[in-house]
This record gives sequence, C-alpha cells and structure tokens, in this order.
Amino acid sequence: EAQVTQNPRYLITVTGKKLTVTCSQNMNHEYMSWYRQDPGLGLRQIYYSMNVEVTDKGDVPEGYKVSRKEKRNFPLILESPSPNQTSLYFCASSSHIYGELFFGEGSRLTVL
Amino acid sequence: AQKITQTQPGMFVQEKEAVTLDCTYDTSDQSYGLFWYKQPSSGEMIFLIYQGSYDEQNATEGRYSLNFQKARKSANLVISASQLGDSAMYFCAMRTGGSQGNLIFGKGTKLSVKP
Repeated sequence: EAQVTQNPRYLITVTGKKLTVTCSQNMNHEYMSWYRQDPGLGLRQIYYSMNVEVTDKGDVPEGYKVSRKEKRNFPLILESPSPNQTSLYFCASSSHIYGELFFGEGSRLTVL
Repeated sequence: AQKITQTQPGMFVQEKEAVTLDCTYDTSDQSYGLFWYKQPSSGEMIFLIYQGSYDEQNATEGRYSLNFQKARKSANLVISASQLGDSAMYFCAMRTGGSQGNLIFGKGTKLSVKP
C-alpha cells in the first residue's frame, strides 16, 4: 500500500529535550516536505526536499532541522524544543512539484 | 504573491443535498495545480480532487467535482448528495513552480452535514 508513515503519532515532551519525528514514504517520490498546522494559522511549510541531499527552508524553519540521506526518509529534528513548537506536524511527499501531495497521518507534539 | 482564499469559515448542508465550497486563488505562474483536501476530526489530510491549470475540463471524482473558472481564478468544490461522513474541514490548496512545490493552503471551511 502506498503510504507516508510518521512516527511518533503523539508525543509529550519537555523544553530542551531533543527529539526526532521520522517520516518514510514507499512511493519512490523525489519531493518531500514537512508542515505544521496551528489553529488560526493553517498549514505552513517548515522544510522541503527536492531530492536526496537537497533540502531547503520553507516558511517557518526556525527551530527545526531536516536531512535527506535516502530517498524514502525525511526526518524532522527539533534540537531544543520550545512550547511554541507545540503543533500538529505533517510529512508529505509527491512525485513532482505540481502533483498531488500525499500526507502522513500527522504527529501531534506537545512541548511543556 | 501566491494566495488561496476561502471565504466561508463554516457551512451547514442537509444530508443528501449538494453543497459548494468556495475557493479563489492568486498566482502569476502559468502552470499550477489546484487541490482540495478533507480533514476529519481525526486529523489526517485526505486528498479529494486535483485540477491542473491547463486542464480544459472540470475535474470529477465520484461525488466531488471542481468548478474551475480560470478567468475568475476560482476553483470551487461541489459535493453532491452530502453524507454525514462529509462533516469535516475542507482545504483548498495550490502548487506552483514558483512556490518550489510548496502546497499553499487556504484557511479552510468547516462543513457540517445535518441529518
């Protein structure tokens, strides 16, 4: 089954404790992206990747890092999480920049 | 600037009736894709329908159709024969080459289907 898998789905953590949200897709997509969704602000892009070893900042990259060492994986790293990073996070992938973006199920992160 | 506008924060529709969710977009790019996604209360983002900027016919997917009016820059979603399971947030979105593939979302419309 074609899918984008994110883990963990739910996480409560404390300020400053490094965490990684993993994302993996099995569709051989070149394009991958991370979004966060906040009430009243909608969905905003954090980082994206056009291909392996090619990443770039989206609209709200501060406080996040990403890497793309393999085509299928695109982890999101929060080096020192803060409460303003409490949000619903989505990983997504597509075969090219115009086509349908396939979303993971979302990861709900709470930073205390 | 790339922008998606959804002017209806919330809508109600009677079960089995049709409903139209409005979406207008703004871009200077000639090539772009327009999308509608559904987000139920469980949170996942479900792709519904896609319209390419060069597609001459309106897209249809089952009970969903996209009313694409390029000159007006509108891409309204029509849901026919509404079902209780259609109650959700609906997002209109756009991808362009100029946005480097970023899917630009509208604020969404919350649809409630009444039995």
